[in-house]
Formats: sequence, C-alpha cells, structure tokens
Amino acid sequence: QSVLTQPPSASGTPGQRVTISCSGSSSSIGSNYVFWYQYVPGTAPRLLIYDNRQRPSGVPDRFSGSKSGTSASLAISDLRSEDEGFYYCATWDDRLSSPDFGTGTKVTVL
Amino acid sequence: VLLEQSAAEAKKSGNSLTISCRGSPTTVNTYWIAWVRQVPGKGLEWVGLIYPDDSDIRYTPSFRGQVTISADKSTGTAYLSWNSLKASDSGMYFCARGGSWLVKNLAFDYWGQGTRVTVSS
Repeated sequence: QSVLTQPPSASGTPGQRVTISCSGSSSSIGSNYVFWYQYVPGTAPRLLIYDNRQRPSGVPDRFSGSKSGTSASLAISDLRSEDEGFYYCATWDDRLSSPDFGTGTKVTVL
Repeated sequence: VLLEQSAAEAKKSGNSLTISCRGSPTTVNTYWIAWVRQVPGKGLEWVGLIYPDDSDIRYTPSFRGQVTISADKSTGTAYLSWNSLKASDSGMYFCARGGSWLVKNLAFDYWGQGTRVTVSS
C-alpha cells in the first residue's frame, strides 16, 4: 500500500493548467527527492520530473515540479489532449527502506 | 532499444516462472535496475531493484519473500522469478534503468517494453 497520497483524478480543457498534489511524510518526501512519471496504458512509464523540479531532455517545459516540506506538486500548463493518462509521484521512503509510488492521478482533457 | 524484455507468459497457479530484461554489460551493470508492476485498474508498484555490478538487491515490503530478483553481469541481464505463482501475480511487469549508482535516485529513464504475466487457477 502506497504511503504517498494523490487525488484520484484531475481534468481541464485544452490550454488550461492542471496541478496534481502528492502528500507524503517526513521519512519519504520530507527527506528525499521527488520524481514524477506519466503512464499511458499500453506504453511504458515515462519520467517527467526528477530531483523535485528537473526535467529530462525531451520533456516539454509545460511540465513543472515543486516540493515543500512533506508534499510535492506537478503542474501541467497549456494542457493538451496528449497529456491524458495517469501521473504518479515517486520517492524513497527511509522508514520502509524502499521506493514508493503515489496512488496515481488520472488526468482527463475535456 | 536499451532494455529488451522476454515475451508474455501464461501460467497456472503453482508454476514457477522467470522473466528477463536484457541490456548489455556496459549499459546495465553500473546502474540500478528496477522491476515495476502494473495491474489494470491499479497503480504502479515497485517490485524491487538490483545493482548488477555487486548484486545489491532491495525488495519492497509487499514483494519481499514473494519474488526473487537476480542479474547476470556477463550478459547485462536482470531477472524476476517466482517459485509458486498465484493468480494475484498477474500483471504487466516492466524493467527500467536508473540514472546512477545511488539507490534513492529514482530517475528511471530507460524502460523495457513490459512482459505480461497471466496466472490462471
């Protein structure tokens, strides 16, 4: 069972901005970097954000990450139809001595 | 293709199974390799990680004792094995390569295509 909590869904119209939260604890987000992945069924997960706010090459700057205390957020600006899918935060949990994914957020473009 | 996974498997409960994730020694051995499960209707789950160069293995609590992760340094291949499959082991299993030797670095930027495991009773 994940100890990282995300809202189950988020939605917006094309061009809007959507923000997804990820709530953890002092032993997870509070002590470690946060990573964000996009998962579209039928494909492999894709790394969007690493080290809280860094983007790998090839990831558009419409995606941005932030972290404060024991919570983190992913923002998607200028929402596009190809952004539909599931978004997961991930971090290391020092109490579990293992990695953890968030509960996942389904993003729908209306 | 950096990581090539073995083909889909259909097994019976109680069977054993090993699936593979093949790279090359230079592209795999000095990076953490993760196994991740995805079950339809459920989220992504870390199964565990292995550092092939020294076979340091970390299992997540849910999978510890349920699976075995291993690697062959000579071929740059990682493996995920079950001794006795259960229906609840069904799912899509992905392998992925991390960004460095740091186990807490969860920047897995190269992924295999996935191996679907179907277990029937």
